[in-house]
Parts: sequence; C-alpha cells; structure tokens
Amino acid sequence: AQSVSQHNHHVILSEAASLELGCNYSYGGTVNLFWYVQYPGQHLQLLLKYFSGDPLVKGIKGFEAEFIKSKFSFNLRKPSVQWSDTAEYFCAVTQGGKLIFGQGTELSVKP
Amino acid sequence: DARVTQTPRHKVTEMGQEVTMRCQPILGHNTVFWYRQTMMQGLELLAYFRNRAPLDDSGMPKDRFSAEMPDATLATLKIQPSEPRDSAVYFCASGLSSGITDTQYFGPGTRLTVL
Repeated sequence: AQSVSQHNHHVILSEAASLELGCNYSYGGTVNLFWYVQYPGQHLQLLLKYFSGDPLVKGIKGFEAEFIKSKFSFNLRKPSVQWSDTAEYFCAVTQGGKLIFGQGTELSVKP
Repeated sequence: DARVTQTPRHKVTEMGQEVTMRCQPILGHNTVFWYRQTMMQGLELLAYFRNRAPLDDSGMPKDRFSAEMPDATLATLKIQPSEPRDSAVYFCASGLSSGITDTQYFGPGTRLTVL
C-alpha cells in the first residue's frame, strides 16, 4: 500500500528564513500529490496540488512544491516565511480515490 | 464561496452515549470522506462514499461506528456507544471524483470529547 513520509516532525524558523519540508511517497506510477495546511485550531486547507505537467507547482501564499519522480518526492518550499505561516503541513498522495496522508510537519515561525 | 459544513463543531458527552456528527458536502461533489485526527495517530480515514455508496469503511471500528449518506446533501457519522478513546477531531471532506484528478475539501471538523 502507498505510504507517505514526512521526515521533519517539527521545524522552527525565524521570519524571512527559507523553508523546505520533505515529503516522500512509496509507490511509483501515476500519482496525484497534495500539500495541505492546518492553522492552529482550524481545518485542513489545500495549499497546492500536482496532477501532471510542470513538476514545479505554485500554490497559495507563496508556497511551491517540486515533484521529482525519480526520488518519489514532493517537497514544499517557500523562500521567506512569515509568522503567519505557523501551522501544521500535511503531504498527501491519492490511492484508489483516497488520500493517504503523511504524519504532518509542525512549523513554528519566530517573529 | 462553497464550503463543507459540519455540525456540531464541539461535542462533549459521557461514555456510553450515542454521538451523531453531520456533514453537508459542497453542492455537486460526489465523494465524501470521514477522517479522524488525534495527536497519536494523526489523520485516519474512517469511511469513503462515492455517489452516496460506501466504497471503503475499513478504517472504521464496525462494532460502534456507522456512516451513512441519506441523501446527496447529508453525510452522517454515528458512534454508539461512545468511549473515551473516541475523543478526537472528526473531519468531513468532499470532492468531485473524476477518477484521475480528485481534490478533497475539508470541513471545519467536530471536536468530540467523551468523558
């Protein structure tokens, strides 16, 4: 079965620092990939998604992710984080119409 | 701005009581998912419907949990009897399944506390 690994459990950054969160999935082939964000006390919101085409995907709030098929990876990046980016970030991949989530990465941005 | 709605947003109940959570998917969406989120287990898929038919409920404890879609605008998740270990946030998500490009949109969740 498909699985998703997010290697960073908790990341602490200062404002304006660059961000990269790792995400790897286990099975190859055609995949749909997603990053969701969950702000404290709120529900999951879609940041960006990849279905096909350009492997560099741009999402909301200045986030982007790069799909590297050979590495089974879909890392999330942002060049300069803000305090308001403090949240938990989930990578997910579809399998049989279902979303398989990683364990999440908690991002804390210090002002 | 179409959204998934869930009621109640918070529920505190005593062990042994029945709990019913409701979800209204985005109009026109044909898939509905129920997830449970806890600190220990993260996000777990409990049940999944497409066109109101249950496709997968393997993540759900069958003896106490049940999920239904009485109509296209309402999905329910019921726990009977509830136990303290059921305390979690329960999210509903809906999507428009094309079989290839499925995106799920999440509701605000129901925070359940079972005493």
